[in-house]
Amino acid sequence: EAGVTQSPTHLIKTRGQQATLRCSPISGHTSVYWYQQALGLGLQFLLWYDEGEERNRGNFPPRFSGRQFPNYSSELNVNALELEDSALYLCASSGAGFYGYTFGSGTRLTVV
Amino acid sequence: LAKTTQPISMDSYEGQEVNITCSHNNIATNDYITWYQQFPSQGPRFIIQGYKTKVTNEVASLFIPADRKSSTLSLPRVSLSDTAVYYCLVGDRNTDKLIFGTGTRLQVFP
Repeated sequence: EAGVTQSPTHLIKTRGQQATLRCSPISGHTSVYWYQQALGLGLQFLLWYDEGEERNRGNFPPRFSGRQFPNYSSELNVNALELEDSALYLCASSGAGFYGYTFGSGTRLTVV
Repeated sequence: LAKTTQPISMDSYEGQEVNITCSHNNIATNDYITWYQQFPSQGPRFIIQGYKTKVTNEVASLFIPADRKSSTLSLPRVSLSDTAVYYCLVGDRNTDKLIFGTGTRLQVFP
């Protein structure tokens, strides 16, 4: 069974640009979560999608947004990139009966 | 909202048992407690999950006291490859919030 897959692995953008990160959950999982992890720091909750709808978001500005598609894959969009947006962005999925996550390997976003 | 705190770091030697505690004073009644291991530049990897008392799998044990305000991850006979950051995660499906602990950096020495 394939795990959670994220693309791209690495992404370099210029300040002010937009970044799009993608995530495919484990087959059968309907919930997708996004976390930001700045270098050397903990995991900060960004967004939660379930059944195509945004269920919850963390304390991030509106320029962080996303969506979930009918096949449960998800996109995270970051507009007007700032240098402090440089981080590892992790996607996780969960399914019924498991009160936890399975994580992908992340996308390393670097803003220059 | 559950708040979770962990020791910042711990040191150990190969072959020793390591116990890492997470405090979650405000855990809700239906929260599960999950522990993850994370290596640099990788996503966290599931270790163990429990609701109360003791849970054991092939890699770790999880001890949860009756009041559930803390939990302890126990790693038996650690090896160098166990050097990583360990996070607890307290889930609350009613409030739709899953809160990670602050993380504990474990360093295992030969």
